[in-house]
Amino acid sequence: GAGVSQSPSNKVTEKGKDVELRCDPISGHTALYWYRQSLGQGLEFLIYFQGNSAPDKSGLPSDRFSAERTGGSVSTLTIQRTQQEDSAVYLCASSLRTGANVLTFGAGSRLTVL
Amino acid sequence: QKEVEQNSGPLSVPEGAIASLNCTYSDRGSQSFFWYRQYSGKSPELIMSIYSNGDKEDGRFTAQLNKASQYVSLLIRDSQPSDSATYLCAVTRPDNTDKLIFGTGTRLQVFP
Repeated sequence: GAGVSQSPSNKVTEKGKDVELRCDPISGHTALYWYRQSLGQGLEFLIYFQGNSAPDKSGLPSDRFSAERTGGSVSTLTIQRTQQEDSAVYLCASSLRTGANVLTFGAGSRLTVL
Repeated sequence: QKEVEQNSGPLSVPEGAIASLNCTYSDRGSQSFFWYRQYSGKSPELIMSIYSNGDKEDGRFTAQLNKASQYVSLLIRDSQPSDSATYLCAVTRPDNTDKLIFGTGTRLQVFP
């Protein structure tokens, strides 16, 4: 696609429920990143994928968070048993290749946990 | 100590003035440095990258890097109200150039 597409744009859920956030990167971009941005905060790195290599999961805050990338394209970030502190904007970005670090971000998925 | 530190602001400057945004980083081995601009409610967009000590100019924007002092700055000349946004500094780790570490951002307000 022309840009990085994320869905849903807004998600309100109850504490304890599971949520899935989707990211469709720019076609041909091999690297895909997930960041989290809490209100008034910077971007917190969560995970990134590069091609068929094992993902770097070092930023995932707990084992309730997981992500996968199917076919080297679409990625899904899953948060199990959501907590109120999970409320944030989840941003996906893609890059043509690693090392270039020119990230193109999607519009984000705003998650609110009640 | 945070890996990337920025003053949260807001930094208020009059239209036409020079806005100076600063960022310090903790890992001396970092090699790549970036400035992203984020308008309220929008996603970040890259405006400048710099890899070598010195200045890099692009239009009204100048990025400055001093690796010895571990700081990177962004100057915006002839500031416009449309420059009002949060500016995020980002740095790569020396052990993993694929991972961008962001600061918390500086909010810039340019008033007419």
